Amino acid sequence: NAGVTQTPKFQVLKTGQSMTLQCAQDMNHEYMSWYRQDPGMGLRLIHYSVGAGITDQGEVPNGYNVSRSTTEDFPLRLLSAAPSQTSVYFCASSSGPTGENEQYFGPGTRLTVT
Amino acid sequence: AQTVTQSQPEMSVQEAETVTLSCTYDTSESNYYLFWYKQPPSRQMILVIRQEAYKQQNATENRFSVNFQKAAKSFSLKISDSQLGDTAMYFCAFMKQTQGAQKLVFGQGTRLTINP
Repeated sequence: NAGVTQTPKFQVLKTGQSMTLQCAQDMNHEYMSWYRQDPGMGLRLIHYSVGAGITDQGEVPNGYNVSRSTTEDFPLRLLSAAPSQTSVYFCASSSGPTGENEQYFGPGTRLTVT
Repeated sequence: AQTVTQSQPEMSVQEAETVTLSCTYDTSESNYYLFWYKQPPSRQMILVIRQEAYKQQNATENRFSVNFQKAAKSFSLKISDSQLGDTAMYFCAFMKQTQGAQKLVFGQGTRLTINP
């Protein structure tokens, strides 16, 4: 098992550019999430999914879109990058919705918007 | 809305010492989970320990244990016999028990350095 994988590991964008951060898991997990981590702050939930075709907003969804066409993949799209989106992005997955189900995190993508 | 506060931005101890990291939270929920995550320089988020609010017994995992004070809304992490590999950022996190999805709320983190 590769677990949760994220690509790319690093990315630099110019303001206004768009891009997609990729996330995939091979554990057949229904639940997947995107978080962002800013300096001096903990992770904050952007969007999450409870299964293929079902997504919802988290705490900081503005400027991001998600879709979930398969169980394995959960891409995060930045439509028009802004410097405020400079952050480290983490994808996570779990087999269930409760705290008994461990949430597995990917290695993160460091995004810089200039 | 739930909030999680870690009041110690940085801590430093000598190897083999015991260290306690503090965490307080605010919620009106009666059942929830609390977690401690470790983030070493590799950036990987690693679950250290979890506690369900309905369980009175404090959770332990080898050298890691928690002091869960539900009435005081306090959830501290004790690391015994600290090792150089324990050097990392540590995040306290909260999750409601029943919400149909896993939504973690994190504290700001404590940077722990273990000195040789």
